[in-house]
Amino acid sequence: DADVTQTPRNRITKTGKRIMLECSQTKGHDRMYWYRQDPGLGLRLIYYSFDVKDINKGEISDGYSVSRQAQAKFSLSLESAIPNQTALYFCATSETETTSTDTQYFGPGTRLTVL
Amino acid sequence: KQEVTQIPAALSVPEGENLVLNCSFTDSAIYNLQWFRQDPGKGLTSLLLIQSSQREQTSGRLNASLDKSSGRSTLYIAASQPGDSATYLCAASGGGADGLTFGKGTHLIIQP
Repeated sequence: DADVTQTPRNRITKTGKRIMLECSQTKGHDRMYWYRQDPGLGLRLIYYSFDVKDINKGEISDGYSVSRQAQAKFSLSLESAIPNQTALYFCATSETETTSTDTQYFGPGTRLTVL
Repeated sequence: KQEVTQIPAALSVPEGENLVLNCSFTDSAIYNLQWFRQDPGKGLTSLLLIQSSQREQTSGRLNASLDKSSGRSTLYIAASQPGDSATYLCAASGGGADGLTFGKGTHLIIQP
């Protein structure tokens, strides 16, 4: 079984709809991240969480919100989806960030299309 | 703000050649530098992680180097194969940023 899973894998929705993307991990890591990937722009950080009670905005948090329901679960919500939120969304985990030996592990991604 | 740049954006070479992918970053205060592989429509697979105190890391036909002082990393692929065709991403951890700061990737095609 995959260590980091994302649901759904693909989603098509309409402008104005509320959408939730879910991420679960079995790695036992405290830190979880949400990134989006757009052609030509690379991956950019949306939100990250150091533990259940610690949530932080990333580079491009406007229009998004998150919920850390448990150590293993981190959800990303689009309250009112708009077409420029069409992208590939990745969840990632890491044990820590402040060591040189730590790596981030990525889920398979969710392809979201907003019409 | 940390910025990561990858050159070239795309590369096509015949099978069997050795090749080098380049990555540069603006803030040298990084924790580590990671190289990932991404296949079309798929997630990211971690290839190599170089700690800030290291100069290089090797895994099979892959060798990654890090020069913090010049803000550069390279990924060397030996004896390339068609299965190496993918997009290669480098990402810096730290350097004043939270999470990873990614380059835009190098799209690599190995011609059979």
